[in-house]
Amino acid sequence: EVQLQESGPGLVKPSQSLSLTCSVTGYSITSNYWGWIRKFPGNKMEWMGYISYSGSTSYNPSLKSRISITRDTSKNQFFLQLNSVTTEDTATYYCARLRTTVDYWGQGVMVTVSS
Amino acid sequence: DVVLTQTPPTLLATIGQSVSISCRSSQSLLHSNGNTYLNWLLQRTGQSPQPLIYLVSKLESGVPNRFSGSGSGTDFTLKISGVEAEDLGVYYCMQFTHYPFTFGSGTKLEIK
Repeated sequence: EVQLQESGPGLVKPSQSLSLTCSVTGYSITSNYWGWIRKFPGNKMEWMGYISYSGSTSYNPSLKSRISITRDTSKNQFFLQLNSVTTEDTATYYCARLRTTVDYWGQGVMVTVSS
Repeated sequence: DVVLTQTPPTLLATIGQSVSISCRSSQSLLHSNGNTYLNWLLQRTGQSPQPLIYLVSKLESGVPNRFSGSGSGTDFTLKISGVEAEDLGVYYCMQFTHYPFTFGSGTKLEIK
């Protein structure tokens, strides 16, 4: 069974970088597409970006100058880095697999940006 | 970006009642390849979102057939024929046709 698990700090200071890891089991990240999605307090969801089976990336233009998604195929992990965070980046962050829909999600990690 | 407008924002239903959620897009979601990448997700409280329907009307494996999706172009509907207690949560439409992918604002289904 495909499983995804996010990990990373739950608290980040403003202006610093947010770094999260998504560990995938049951499926190789060298197939399909793998993305990051966040849910803000309330119900708003935002697509952040993805990394493909070949390692190419695509980012939401609203984040393009601050976001980086990378991977380590030897560990079957992919990573999110979001720079220069503000309180508006406080959200629950999900990693997920993409096919014709987002068919597998991690359980999510809540990240608070606060001094 | 494509804006998906979901209505109603909240839905109060009794067990066994049939309900519908609307998702209207600011642009056609018909892709040049002929597919319409409109999906529906359910997020139960304390859980991750789970896929219900993809490509407008195709049920994800394991999803009960009381869920159905319909629509085309810019207007889409999720119908639950006979709400059950386990159906409560927040429903989202999501589009994959245009980048960046976008989500509707969510519809919270509550059980009376």
